Amino acid sequence: QVQLQESGPGLVKPSGTLSLTCAVSGGSISSSNWWSWVRQPPGKGLEWIGEIYHSGSTNYNPSLKSRVTISVDKSKNQFSLKLSSVTAADTAVYYCARDSGITMISFFDIWGQGTMVTVSS
Amino acid sequence: SYELTQPLSVSVALGQTARITCGGNNIGSKNVHWYQQKPGQAPVLVIYRDSNRPSGIPERFSGSNSGNTATLTISRAQAGDEADYYCQVWDSSPVFGGGTKLTVL
Repeated sequence: QVQLQESGPGLVKPSGTLSLTCAVSGGSISSSNWWSWVRQPPGKGLEWIGEIYHSGSTNYNPSLKSRVTISVDKSKNQFSLKLSSVTAADTAVYYCARDSGITMISFFDIWGQGTMVTVSS
Repeated sequence: SYELTQPLSVSVALGQTARITCGGNNIGSKNVHWYQQKPGQAPVLVIYRDSNRPSGIPERFSGSNSGNTATLTISRAQAGDEADYYCQVWDSSPVFGGGTKLTVL
């Protein structure tokens, strides 16, 4: 059974870069799935950040596109998120999730446990 | 951008039927998915493609979608169903509703 595990610093300074990694276990990142990042500010709803395919193709939320980079490392079976120029508004729980892989019927069937990232000096 | 509207909260008596709506322009033409999120936990997919249940999700959970409203129905509500519920569609990219807090009385 595929499992996802996020890792990375829990505290990032304002104007810095948030960096997280999602390790995929129990399956291959080279399967016919896209791999996404989703975040949730404290007490608020879910926001999709972006996704990557094992080929390296990416799609990003237009509202974050200028600051987001998602990459994949097939040798380590993991993918990563970088969010630059962070502010307090980027404080959130960050989840990685597996997309169904069905074109234009995107849904997330497996989620990591989430990792809290706080932006503060 | 496409918007999904959910009620902030829904209450249901123990053992009764809860209905959580998700409104969107012509949402009936889209595939709607639903997630359950309990405090401190990651979301869990409970309904996909309007009315399909993933393995392990009780039959008490069902979904429908028509016109401008999609509905998640939880029959014989249990205390363990108390959670936040989010609808989601794909409209050039994944879009989530604002979430509904379900309270079981």
